[in-house]
Order: sequence, then C-alpha cells, then structure tokens
Amino acid sequence: GNSVTQMEGPVTLSEEAFLTINCTYTATGYPSLFWYVQYPGEGLQLLLKATKADDKGSNKGFEATYRKETTSFHLEKGSVQVSDSAVYFCALHNQAGTALIFGKGTTLSVSS
Amino acid sequence: SAVISQKPSRDICQRGTSLTIQCQVDSQVTMMFWYRQQPGQSLTLIATANQGSEATYESGFVIDKFPISRPNLTFSTLTVSNMSPEDSSIYLCSVQRGQGYEKLFFGSGTQLSVL
Repeated sequence: GNSVTQMEGPVTLSEEAFLTINCTYTATGYPSLFWYVQYPGEGLQLLLKATKADDKGSNKGFEATYRKETTSFHLEKGSVQVSDSAVYFCALHNQAGTALIFGKGTTLSVSS
Repeated sequence: SAVISQKPSRDICQRGTSLTIQCQVDSQVTMMFWYRQQPGQSLTLIATANQGSEATYESGFVIDKFPISRPNLTFSTLTVSNMSPEDSSIYLCSVQRGQGYEKLFFGSGTQLSVL
C-alpha cells in the first residue's frame, strides 16, 4: 500500500542552521508529493509540492526534490529562523478520488 | 485561502460521553473532510462530508461512532460518540476549494482528551 515515513522529531536547531527533514514514501505508480506546515495555533497549510520525478518544490526558502530512485522527498532549508518553528508533515497523493496520505509529522524548534 | 474556524480548540471529556466538534468556513465549499491524528501517528482521514448527501467513511470508521452533519456549504459537525481513552486525538476539519491538493485548507484542530 501507500505510506509515508518521516524522521522522528523533535528537531532542535539554532537560528541560521541548515535544516533537513527526511521523508521517504512507498507507493505504486507516480504519486504527487507535498510538504505541509502547521504553525502553533494554526491550521495545516501547504508549504510546497512536486508532481513528478526530479521536480523541485520551493517556498519561503524551503526546498524538496522528488527523487524517484530513492523514493524520497526530503525538506531542506539553508538557514532556519525562529519563525520556522512548527510541525512539518510530508504527504502523498496517488489516485484521483483518494485521500492524502500523511506522515506522522516532525516538530522543528528553532532558538535564537 | 480559506478561513476555517474549528471549535472547541480543546476539551477534556469523560468516558462514555459524546463531543460535537464544529467547523465553520468563511465561504461556500463543496468538499469538507474530517481527519484524526492519534498521538504519535499520522493524520488519518475519517470521512468526506459533501452537502446534501451522506458522509462517506473510510475503512475503520463508522457512522455510529463518528456521525457527521453537513447542513449547508459553510458548516459541518463531527461527533465523537461514546468516547473511550482511545479516542484521545487531534481532530481536524479540512476543506477543498477548487482542483488539486494545493487547494486543500485545514482548521487548527480540536485536541480531545478522554479520561
């Protein structure tokens, strides 16, 4: 079946550090891949997406590249800020009419 | 974007009771979804609620346990019935406005603890 595996958190970083949150997936066919972010007290919101192999999604300094050969979609940011503290969810969508499949979420805490 | 108001934001309930969670959207949407996130687990879709029709439940979820109402295009409720500690979770309302999952928006969630 389809599934998403994210690295365990929490991830604790100092401001301006480099961030990687690992995400791997299992799916048949060619899913679309997403990263969602949930800031404290707010709803989940789409951060970035990629719909085919080798696509790179990017937004707010975050990037993730769809790697079919390694079935991965790792989230990266070169220099994190305190305002990036949030929970990050990797997700995939595989078939029309089916629901998004989410990972467990990774909590990121950035200190100044 | 969509503004989604979800109430209550958190609650502590006794075993055997029921809790109704409300989801209000700032504009009309066709598709509304209810998700659950149990501690340490992924977000899991409970059901899809379209106005004017019965909610469609995912495998493992039943209407008797999670009745859903969708009286109009801006409002839905999810009831967690006859609660047990295993129902302690975050419950999320979500709406889709347009084609594609970039048009999917979430409420801030209801944190439910059952004693």
